[in-house]
Amino acid sequence: DSGVTQTPKHLITATGQRVTLRCSPRSGDLSVYWYQQSLDQGLQFLIQYYNGEERAKGNILERFSAQQFPDLHSELNLSSLELGDSALYFCASSVDPLSSGVKNEQFFGPGTRLTVL
Amino acid sequence: DAKTTQPPSMDCAEGRAANLPCNHSTISGNEYVYWYRQIHSQGPQYIIHGLKNNETNEMASLIITEDRKSSTLILPHATLRDTAVYYCIVAGTALIFGKGTTLSVSS
Repeated sequence: DSGVTQTPKHLITATGQRVTLRCSPRSGDLSVYWYQQSLDQGLQFLIQYYNGEERAKGNILERFSAQQFPDLHSELNLSSLELGDSALYFCASSVDPLSSGVKNEQFFGPGTRLTVL
Repeated sequence: DAKTTQPPSMDCAEGRAANLPCNHSTISGNEYVYWYRQIHSQGPQYIIHGLKNNETNEMASLIITEDRKSSTLILPHATLRDTAVYYCIVAGTALIFGKGTTLSVSS
């Protein structure tokens, strides 16, 4: 158990819909990261937040957005869903933000499996 | 694109050492090398990281060449539970996962 929790575990929805994935970081961790893992794309970094502020962006679509709240939990919002958005979505947390020259160990949650029909 | 190159798969006998290589010839001077593994569809698990010196923890050892262009993750006594995809990552501002090495440990 990494100490990172994600809800829900599974989500099935239809194309065009909007969903929200939730992540609670480990106690004391200020950074939250979101990743998408699909069969054809592998594990892809989406976005990073540190203490409520966006820190780094990866391959996140404009239809996707995220935020980190004052209690440090984070939500990933996916809208206008397409079949290709079906994937495992992982959240990770760390004490410090990831940056060059700074060591950073990320703890991953169990993931949310999203199925778009 | 991932900045590392790993063999797609490796086999190891249970109880033997598993040595997983990684090439990262374009690594910058202040970038750390991280190793994570993912068992089936679980969340990736941190194993070890290093900058210049060799590192060891309860899970593994990390050997980094002097020029830092390659490294080797060593699992000293592989077990069946070590069967997983192992990712070598050179991290700047994000963890960029490549395809990793699928390690299969058999009895």
